[in-house]
Amino acid sequence: AQTIHQWPVAEIKAVGSPLSLGCTIKGKSSPNLYWYWQATGGTLQQLFYSITVGQVESVVQLNLSASRPKDDQFILSTEKLLLSHSGFYLCAWSPQVSNERLFFGHGTKLSVL
Amino acid sequence: GDQVEQSPSALSLHEGTGSALRCNFTTTMRAVQWFRKNSRGSLINLFYLASGTKENGRLKSAFDSKERYSTLHIRDAQLEDSGTYFCAAEDSNYQLIWGSGTKLIIKP
Repeated sequence: AQTIHQWPVAEIKAVGSPLSLGCTIKGKSSPNLYWYWQATGGTLQQLFYSITVGQVESVVQLNLSASRPKDDQFILSTEKLLLSHSGFYLCAWSPQVSNERLFFGHGTKLSVL
Repeated sequence: GDQVEQSPSALSLHEGTGSALRCNFTTTMRAVQWFRKNSRGSLINLFYLASGTKENGRLKSAFDSKERYSTLHIRDAQLEDSGTYFCAAEDSNYQLIWGSGTKLIIKP
């Protein structure tokens, strides 16, 4: 069975500090991977997606970056956090064959102070 | 095992008809949300329910925590309703557990 693990569960960070959020998928080779962000409840915006190792496409510009160093790992990061980065971050994967079904992690709640 | 089972995984309806999507939970959930994925991949929040039912236009959602399920009813389906719909339930630790989606196709 496939599992998705997202870390950390929650973070409180200072403005200007760096950030790294991680996501690992086990039991599925070559998944499509996604990062989502929700500011204040409501729409979850797709930030990045990746269909293969080393390739990441940006959907929304938020002064964040993403990388896929391994087939089963997706990292979201920034060198300097902004207040506007606060929110809820969600990682998801989908099978390569179809990108309609999504399987989600539990999410990370980020508070930037 | 899976805590949220969403069904059906795919559904095809003719314009003007209706149907229901369903999420069953293996444990008691505090609340449920329903989302629809748009063309940019973003998930638009349709409903948030802690109990009972809510209606918005041609959509209606119900959540029964005790019976461990939630439904999303679509009536008088229109072509623009096509898309993928997700439920997400909030467990006792306030964690979101997601269904894996229903791909809805509306045919003329």
